[in-house]
Amino acid sequence: QVQLVESGGGVVQPGRSLRLSCAASGFTFSSHGMHWVRQAPGKGLEWVAVTSKDGNNKYYEDSVKGRFTISRDNSKNTLYLQMNSLGVEDTAVYYCARGNWNSLGYWGQGTLVTVSS
Amino acid sequence: AIQLTQSPSSLSASVGDRVTITCRASQGISSALAWYQQTPGKAPQLLIYDASSLENGVPSRFSGSGSGTDFTLTISSLKPEDFATYYCQQFKNYPLTFGGGTKVEIK
Repeated sequence: QVQLVESGGGVVQPGRSLRLSCAASGFTFSSHGMHWVRQAPGKGLEWVAVTSKDGNNKYYEDSVKGRFTISRDNSKNTLYLQMNSLGVEDTAVYYCARGNWNSLGYWGQGTLVTVSS
Repeated sequence: AIQLTQSPSSLSASVGDRVTITCRASQGISSALAWYQQTPGKAPQLLIYDASSLENGVPSRFSGSGSGTDFTLTISSLKPEDFATYYCQQFKNYPLTFGGGTKVEIK
């Protein structure tokens, strides 16, 4: 069965960096675009970024452009999100999700990132 | 970016009620809309894609309709496990965007 397992969350000071990982199994990872979606405490869902199947095409939400980088290693079935210059507004649970062209069909359980001094 | 406005933001309903949630897009998105259900502490789950197609395994009491700018998610007869928050998401253009959510609570 499809499994997505995020890791790498934690408490980080403002201005610092963090890298999230998402380990995928149960499907052909290299056949799917992959997304990151976040949810601040008590708030709604916010789409963050997507990478195409081969990693050559990437899109970002405006507030993270230039600070976050999505990437993937198809040989390791792993998705990444490098987050730099973190601010308190980036505090959220971060989910990875498997994309189809018209939906996000599978989601991980999420990893919590807390930006605090 | 395309904005999605959901209404209402919350509603109270009873088991067995018919519930309708709307999602309005700031510009036409054809049928490029998905609906998700999220219960507290859990990841969202896909219910509907392409505005009206039911995801495998989702009960038939859930249905979606609409195209262009106006969309609807309907639960025909509310069950206890349906008390949750529902989100729409557009897939027409990047950046992808979500609606603000509709929380369905027990009356």
